[in-house]
This record gives sequence, structure tokens and C-alpha cells, in this order.
Amino acid sequence: EPEVTQTPSHQVTQMGQEVILRCVPISNHLYFYWYRQILGQKVEFLVSFYNNEISEKSEIFDDQFSVERPDGSNFTLKIRSTKLEDSAMYFCASKRGGPYEQYFGPGTRLTVT
Amino acid sequence: ELKVEQNPLFLSMQEGKNYTIYCNYSTTSDRLYWYRQDPGKSLESLFVLLSNGAVKQEGRLMASLDTKARLSTLHITAAVHDLSATYFCAVDEGGNNNDMRFGAGTRLTVKP
Repeated sequence: EPEVTQTPSHQVTQMGQEVILRCVPISNHLYFYWYRQILGQKVEFLVSFYNNEISEKSEIFDDQFSVERPDGSNFTLKIRSTKLEDSAMYFCASKRGGPYEQYFGPGTRLTVT
Repeated sequence: ELKVEQNPLFLSMQEGKNYTIYCNYSTTSDRLYWYRQDPGKSLESLFVLLSNGAVKQEGRLMASLDTKARLSTLHITAAVHDLSATYFCAVDEGGNNNDMRFGAGTRLTVKP
């Protein structure tokens, strides 16, 4: 069964460093999303992406964040200058479109020290 | 802004008992999703509810949607230990690419 994959599974970085989190959505899906979940808390929407552009973003998704689909398969989230409070699990999700559910990847645990 | 509220946030049950988790939301939406999350794991889709009065059942779990009341319920029948997890409801405001907004989650523990 097709699934969303994410790499790395765990990333440790120092404050102020740039990180890139990678996702490979399900191949026939058209809509892509990033969410984050601070440990023990709820899942928070960051950004949605369709047709090679951002379609919606939350107030969390400020100028230090960017997304890209560089090669038609990967979908990346870049954090330019990480802060301690960026430590969280980051989930990528994709869906076909319309009312279908989003399928989530296994997540990348980001630890900023 | 779309708000999604779940209750209870924590639920400890004995095996064999029944209970209901509630999900209220603030917008007019007929798209509601239930996900399960095990500790340290990703989110697994349980139910997709797409119309008023929709009811879906899978094993000991049954989900329903009342769009007029802006309420969904997740009913657990004769709980077993394997159901221990965190359950999230999420609401989609419609359209093709709208994001989902999640409730805070209900952490369910089923004790023998």
C-alpha cells in the first residue's frame, strides 16, 4: 500500500542552524501539507501546497519557514534559523483532493539544542 | 477562526466498558475525520464523515456526525487494552485543498 515517507526520522540541530525536512508524498496525490506537534500537544497546521505554490499557511508559518517541491516527488520544509521552540515532531501529509482524508507520514522529530 | 474542541482530554476506562468522546467545532462543515495516534507514532486515519447523519463503524469504534449541532462522537463499545491511544478529531472547512484543524486529542487508557 502506498505511504507517505519522511526523512530523517530524527534531526538534532543547534539553535540558529538551518534544517531541511524531507517528505515523499503518495504518488498520485495532489495536495501536500506540513503539520507540527509539540510533545504531548495537539497537531498544528503549518502550510498547504498545491500546484507548486502555497495555498494556505498558518500564523506559525512565518518568514523562517519555506516549502518547496523541487523535483516532482520530494516535498521539503526548510527552517532557516532554528529556535528552541521549533523542537517538535513534524508531519507531512498528502491527499488526492476533495473530501478524501489526508495520509500522514511517520514524522521527523526535530530537536533544537 | 475554526476551533475544534474535544472532551474529555483524558479518559481512563476499564476493559469491557463503553464510553463516548465528543468533538465540537465552530464552523459549518460536513467534513470530519477521526485519527488515532499511538505514542511516538504517526496519525492513522480511522473514519471519514462527510455528511450530516453519517455513521461509520469499525470493530469496537463507531463515529457519527451531526452537522447541525456541529458535533461528532466517537463511541467505544466494550473497550479492550489495544484501544489505548490518543484519538484526534479534525475538521476540514471544505474545498479541495483546505487544511484540517485538529482537536486537542483524547488520551484513552484502557485498564484490565
